[in-house]
Amino acid sequence: KAGVTQTPRYLIKTRGQQVTLSCSPISGHRSVSWYQQTPGQGLQFLFEYFSETQRNKGNFPGRFSGRQFSNSRSEMNVSTLELGDSALYLCASSHPGGVEQFFGPGTRLTVL
Amino acid sequence: TQLLEQSPQFLSIQEGENLTVYCNSSSVFSSLQWYRQEPGEGPVLLVTVVTGGEVKKLKRLTFQFGDARKDSSLHITAAQTGDTGLYLCAGAVGDYKLSFGAGTTVTVRA
Repeated sequence: KAGVTQTPRYLIKTRGQQVTLSCSPISGHRSVSWYQQTPGQGLQFLFEYFSETQRNKGNFPGRFSGRQFSNSRSEMNVSTLELGDSALYLCASSHPGGVEQFFGPGTRLTVL
Repeated sequence: TQLLEQSPQFLSIQEGENLTVYCNSSSVFSSLQWYRQEPGEGPVLLVTVVTGGEVKKLKRLTFQFGDARKDSSLHITAAQTGDTGLYLCAGAVGDYKLSFGAGTTVTVRA
């Protein structure tokens, strides 16, 4: 089985711009979660989608949003980028009913 | 404040030595997982423990879940350079929400 894929792998944006990241889960996985990882804060949960519905949400501002499509692929969007949004954004999928996360390689976002 | 506290934050040892990483919380978890992350990659699941007092062995790695399901430890015997990485513990509260510790960066020197 192919693993979780994320595109793009690297992204450079400037403050005020918006960005969309994409994630394709492992085949058969219907739950997709997004995390932000920074040296200072570690791995922080953004949100989780299951069957196209947001099931859980972390403590992030409304500038961070996501969606899931009928094929379980997911996108997350960050609007009005700030310098502090520079991070590794990780997507993870899980088995139906499972909590173990299978991570993609991440998208490294740099905001200048 | 992290729900899960990991210690130490950094660990540097010589190849062949043993090491232990700790993961502690005041919360009870339905399950606890350990992941290893290498630079430029996403975390990779090593093990899941679900029963209080459970001990799981994965070759040179031994994982233990506390009796009260609030803490866990990871012990590596005869560390190798390939064990270098960021070790993360993650606790599940209920079925869906997962909280991660800040991680322990392990460096094994040749």
